[in-house]
Amino acid sequence: ETGVTQSPTHLIKTRGQQVTLRCSSQSGHNTVSWYQQALGQGPQFIFQYYREEENGRGNFPPRFSGLQFPNYSSELNVNALELDDSALYLCASSYGGNGGNTIYFGEGSWLTVV
Amino acid sequence: AQKVTQAQTEISVVEKEDVTLDCVYETRDTTYYLFWYKQPPSGELVFLIRRNSFDEQNEISGRYSWNFQKSTSSFNFTITASQVVDSAVYFCALSGYTGGGNKLTFGTGTQLKVEL
Repeated sequence: ETGVTQSPTHLIKTRGQQVTLRCSSQSGHNTVSWYQQALGQGPQFIFQYYREEENGRGNFPPRFSGLQFPNYSSELNVNALELDDSALYLCASSYGGNGGNTIYFGEGSWLTVV
Repeated sequence: AQKVTQAQTEISVVEKEDVTLDCVYETRDTTYYLFWYKQPPSGELVFLIRRNSFDEQNEISGRYSWNFQKSTSSFNFTITASQVVDSAVYFCALSGYTGGGNKLTFGTGTQLKVEL
């Protein structure tokens, strides 16, 4: 086990709704990043938070937003859900905001948009 | 831009066979890091190895070994004497060392099926 925990594990939402996914990072890690993995694809980087600030973002629209809290846990919020948002959302934690650090993933949150 | 290519979509082997998963990458960074992850059906990405661009030594960990060749931009993964428990999707990933995030760029993955 990596010590990265995510909730909820599975959820179903209706198109147009909003969703919040949560992540607790591994002890000692100050960086959390989020990835979206569509069926049959590799994970795609959404964004990263380092010491409560967003310090990197992938090619995702502004309706994907996040927060990192003082204890380094994090939330991913998605507004105005679309059918294509159906995917596995993976949270990852590491130490340090730059590249090269080992990144550990949680088990993911499976989101279905109907 | 960074890119990772895993040309093998699916590989099927019989238990105890050796199998090599290929990974080819593209990057303009002089310092970069390569990773392999295993993803069982449960969804969690399990970290297997991290290698930096300055260390071209091959690595062996039990039945797993990795061959990093900078000249061909490849970072291949071999499982010796495969077992049914090795069945999973394996991802190769790349990260740079620039500021702005510890972003991993993943390949599309290779589905490995090990049968009895």
